[in-house]
Amino acid sequence: AQKVTQAQTEISVVEKEDVTLDCVYETRDTTYYLFWYKQPPSGELVFLIRRNSFDEQNEISGRYSWNFQKSTSSFNFTITASQVVDSAVYFCALSLHGSSNTGKLIFGQGTTLQVKP
Amino acid sequence: ETGVTQTPRHLVMGMTNKKSLKCEQHLGHNAMYWYKQSAKKPLELMFVYSLEERVENNSVPSRFSPECPNSSHLFLHLHTLQPEDSALYLCASSQDTGPEKLFFGSGTQLSVL
Repeated sequence: AQKVTQAQTEISVVEKEDVTLDCVYETRDTTYYLFWYKQPPSGELVFLIRRNSFDEQNEISGRYSWNFQKSTSSFNFTITASQVVDSAVYFCALSLHGSSNTGKLIFGQGTTLQVKP
Repeated sequence: ETGVTQTPRHLVMGMTNKKSLKCEQHLGHNAMYWYKQSAKKPLELMFVYSLEERVENNSVPSRFSPECPNSSHLFLHLHTLQPEDSALYLCASSQDTGPEKLFFGSGTQLSVL
């Protein structure tokens, strides 16, 4: 069975602090994709990143960075020097590869991040 | 104009009402999706359409009936809902099905009384 766990339900930090959002996944497939989405108060989920299971290279995009560790089945997301605009719900998701894959994403419960001024 | 537009933003309905949710995408995508977001539960995929053909029905009760008249429009027809169906219903699109980047609308917040 496939599953995504985001153990942190809510995190509160003060502006300019660094914060890491944890994501642990379960799958027996060897080929899969991992995603992070951001859901601001307006409601729509916004795509942040997609990584495939063969690419363990960490990625940095501005203040955002992602640490993919297959050995621990984790795909953690770090925001450096957080800002109030980073306040949102963040979702980690898993998608399997293959011809039968209809694009189904398996989402974690989400982590609500509050950045206080 | 945003890529994926959903109407209405909010909907309150009784259990005997019939209503429809509408989704329109302006991105030229071939795949469209309905997701349900309930409080304290992960987002759940409901339906997937690829080139107007339904390719996944994720064990959704028949009181939810999707319709995809063309690749730009997706509807979710609601009939005889239950209070536990109250949730945020999100529409999304992607270029094709598969592990693609999804573009989401802002959702319809549905309350069933």
